[in-house]
Amino acid sequence: GAGVSQSPSNKVTEKGKDVELRCDPISGHTALYWYRQRLGQGLEFLIYFQGNSAPDKSGLPSDRFSAERTGESVSTLTIQRTQQEDSAVYLCASSPIGSGAETQYFGPGTRLLVL
Amino acid sequence: DAKTTQPTSMDCAEGRAANLPCNHSTISGNEYVYWYRQIHSQGPQYIIHGLKNNETNEMASLIITEDRKSSTLILPHATLRDTAVYYCIPAHQGAQKLVFGQGTRLTINP
Repeated sequence: GAGVSQSPSNKVTEKGKDVELRCDPISGHTALYWYRQRLGQGLEFLIYFQGNSAPDKSGLPSDRFSAERTGESVSTLTIQRTQQEDSAVYLCASSPIGSGAETQYFGPGTRLLVL
Repeated sequence: DAKTTQPTSMDCAEGRAANLPCNHSTISGNEYVYWYRQIHSQGPQYIIHGLKNNETNEMASLIITEDRKSSTLILPHATLRDTAVYYCIPAHQGAQKLVFGQGTRLTINP
């Protein structure tokens, strides 16, 4: 079946502009995660959605970052007033309800470049 | 979360076994050891996980020391497609947040 998809694949924006990144999880997966990966670095957790529970936003680096999820489907990560330090690959993952860390399926990521 | 130490990089010849070590001396009693890998320009991919017994699946084997302070991921017959960054991640089985360190950049040479 289809895996996790993300769009756009690549995004180039100017400093100060807002960007929206989209994630389509695997159908039926109730949990959805966003991570950020700077060049040559490991993944940083940003935010986690699980069903109708309040999201875990503990990894969001500043109030310029926000994310929403519509039910158990699409999620959008928004970065307002982008800065050059926001340049990174933004990865989305999803997993089924009640499962553990072994069942996180990752998308291909969105490569964001802030000029 | 337990801290991990992995070699920054390793090389292995195609067809040979690749053995990737990980130190996790502060792992707690109910934390599993998960291994993920990330091939260039792709998202991470789950490989294997274990608690204290050695594990094997179609991708790899995982050897965990008796004191659980370290583990080794074994790719028995490495191929060029195994070139990737390999992450060792201690986590509770129900954990939702994964903490990725720097990982080991494994290069398989022809």
